[in-house]
Amino acid sequence: EIVLTQSPGTLSLSPGERATLSCRASQSVSSSYLAWYQQKPGQAPRLLIYGASSRATGIPDRFSGSGSGTDFTLTISRLEPEDFAVYYCQQYGSSPPFTFGQGTKLEIK
Amino acid sequence: EEQLVESGGGVARPGGSLRLSCAASGFTFDDYGMSWVRQVPGKGLEWVSGIKRSGDTTAYADSVRGRFTISRDNVKNFLILQMNSLRVEDTALYYCTRGFLGGPLDYWGQGILVSVSS
Repeated sequence: EIVLTQSPGTLSLSPGERATLSCRASQSVSSSYLAWYQQKPGQAPRLLIYGASSRATGIPDRFSGSGSGTDFTLTISRLEPEDFAVYYCQQYGSSPPFTFGQGTKLEIK
Repeated sequence: EEQLVESGGGVARPGGSLRLSCAASGFTFDDYGMSWVRQVPGKGLEWVSGIKRSGDTTAYADSVRGRFTISRDNVKNFLILQMNSLRVEDTALYYCTRGFLGGPLDYWGQGILVSVSS
């Protein structure tokens, strides 16, 4: 089973700032099958990034993903008030279980 | 518009059973693998089970293997999760999602609550 470790656990920033979230895998994620999700309170998660760097439909271009192998990053270039939420990474490659990271809470400073 | 609507949740006793259903609409159901994901309120996400679009391949998290069974009806466009031998630790919000092997979870239902308590 691939274990995903996200850091930091909580990130406190102000609107307009840049956010960098990390996801590290215990072993290589095949074909960059790494996704990022955003979850706001009381809502289902929403897919932001898939294939490590491709934005899902309707996702603003201030969200970007990068990385390969075992190290992946989600960057929000300029935080908007609606971006404060919990973010999860997930690997969905060829071998289940398709584990999630424990999440990073992005909060307003 | 793609839509996933879960039903069948509720309260069960430890050792009991529940059957979750997910009605899919707005897309060609048998073109996609499907998964169930759960979340204890206030906690993180846990992938539970998935099924390929044809239904011939399934997978489970270790925590539910042997107790839960995933299936699908590609005629009626339903995803099913049969949950047997329920445990208190199965208490969670269960999400129906589109996506499985090699595919991200690109659409999610609103979730259905399962509570296991004596």
